[in-house]
Amino acid sequence: GAVVSQHPSWVICKSGTSVKIECRSLDFQATTMFWYRQFPKQSLMLMATSNEGSKATYEQGVEKDKFLINHASLTLSTLTVTSAHPEDSSFYICSARDSKAAKNTEAFFGQGTRLTVV
Amino acid sequence: LAKTTQPISMDSYEGQEVNITCSHNNIATNDYITWYQQFPSQGPRFIIQGYKTKVTNEVASLFIPADRKSSTLSLPRVSLSDTAVYYCLVGDGYNFNKFYFGSGTKLNVKP
Repeated sequence: GAVVSQHPSWVICKSGTSVKIECRSLDFQATTMFWYRQFPKQSLMLMATSNEGSKATYEQGVEKDKFLINHASLTLSTLTVTSAHPEDSSFYICSARDSKAAKNTEAFFGQGTRLTVV
Repeated sequence: LAKTTQPISMDSYEGQEVNITCSHNNIATNDYITWYQQFPSQGPRFIIQGYKTKVTNEVASLFIPADRKSSTLSLPRVSLSDTAVYYCLVGDGYNFNKFYFGSGTKLNVKP
């Protein structure tokens, strides 16, 4: 079945540094991917829509200069957390759906990336 | 904003059937209803999807009344491994399933 893979699964970084998280669709093409953030014991919060070949669309309250999104190919979207701070520590999850499939085809989620900023 | 409302938590025992109901009063014509399961520190996993009436697969059934303002996920004979958070989502397939998550339902299955 369709798989969405994230890398890395977990990362620890120092405060002030930047971290890049990759999201790949392994056996389908995705012109659109979504990035979510999840804090402990909370639900997923949509951060942004990643669009292949164009700028990402950010949800209200999400800083586009802090969370840089690049969707350079039909199978890869990256989220870069710039100048990370401890409050950015969270579980980041991406999702995607096969762009060529029927409109009621389900979306698949990556396994998530646990970011810890120390 | 999330379009759905679910109970925050539910308890059940192994072997029982569990029904989780979700309200989505403002569901749009193009919206599908999708349920996902999430274990701690994992991404959500697709369970079932439907538009109207009843849908059944190997793991669950989804009941959707004619007005589509609610839906019920039915899990037959749950086991301890079904302890997880279950999310009801409504999404427009034209937007590649852009989901706004609600609180989800934490299902606790006891021995």
